[in-house]
Amino acid sequence: DTAVSQTPKYLVTQMGNDKSIKCEQNLGHDTMYWYKQDSKKFLKIMFSYNNKELIINETVPNRFSPKSPDKAHLNLHINSLELGDSAVYFCASSRGHSGGYTFGSGTRLTVV
Amino acid sequence: GQQLNQSPQSMFIQEGEDVSMNCTSSSIFNTWLWYKQEPGEGPVLLIALYKAGELTSNGRLTAQFGITRKDSFLNISASIPSDVGIYFCAGQLNSGAGSYQLTFGKGTKLSVIP
Repeated sequence: DTAVSQTPKYLVTQMGNDKSIKCEQNLGHDTMYWYKQDSKKFLKIMFSYNNKELIINETVPNRFSPKSPDKAHLNLHINSLELGDSAVYFCASSRGHSGGYTFGSGTRLTVV
Repeated sequence: GQQLNQSPQSMFIQEGEDVSMNCTSSSIFNTWLWYKQEPGEGPVLLIALYKAGELTSNGRLTAQFGITRKDSFLNISASIPSDVGIYFCAGQLNSGAGSYQLTFGKGTKLSVIP
């Protein structure tokens, strides 16, 4: 019954690989997000997306791309992984522009 | 972009003590939120504040939205061991495309000594 679920929980991969992280929400929310949390625990928005618009944080490399097959899913695809991509990635959702984001439990990505 | 200054960065307190942490910003926000993150989990919403001057409680937690819309504080009374975690403030503008995204402070790591 998890509201926002991410898979996998842990992901270890080599530099240069391409990987995807999946996110699903069963809350009926129409807006979904991806956040990156670095080693100092700083949370930074990467993308926000609903069926009308995709907002991309300009600092996010174009190796990162969100893919949304439907309103309940927002997957994160990463090409040519680099060491600096190692972090915890959080998916979140909200109803419209409400402040009450619901977060997933995160995916810890380690690039070796 | 907007930045939130959250303090203190970390706190070590005895069980039963009261805790206070705050956030300030150079920008005005329409909404302030406080989240708690426990190890291995995502942030969980504690309190949302929507009006300048608003004071809201959630159990032992109390938060206030500053009159200028540029600051907020969170108080925890009579701390218990399960209060341990990282507390984040977050601001939201709600004023146009992209600006409804949350901007997070850098967090306050709370440790409670039994």
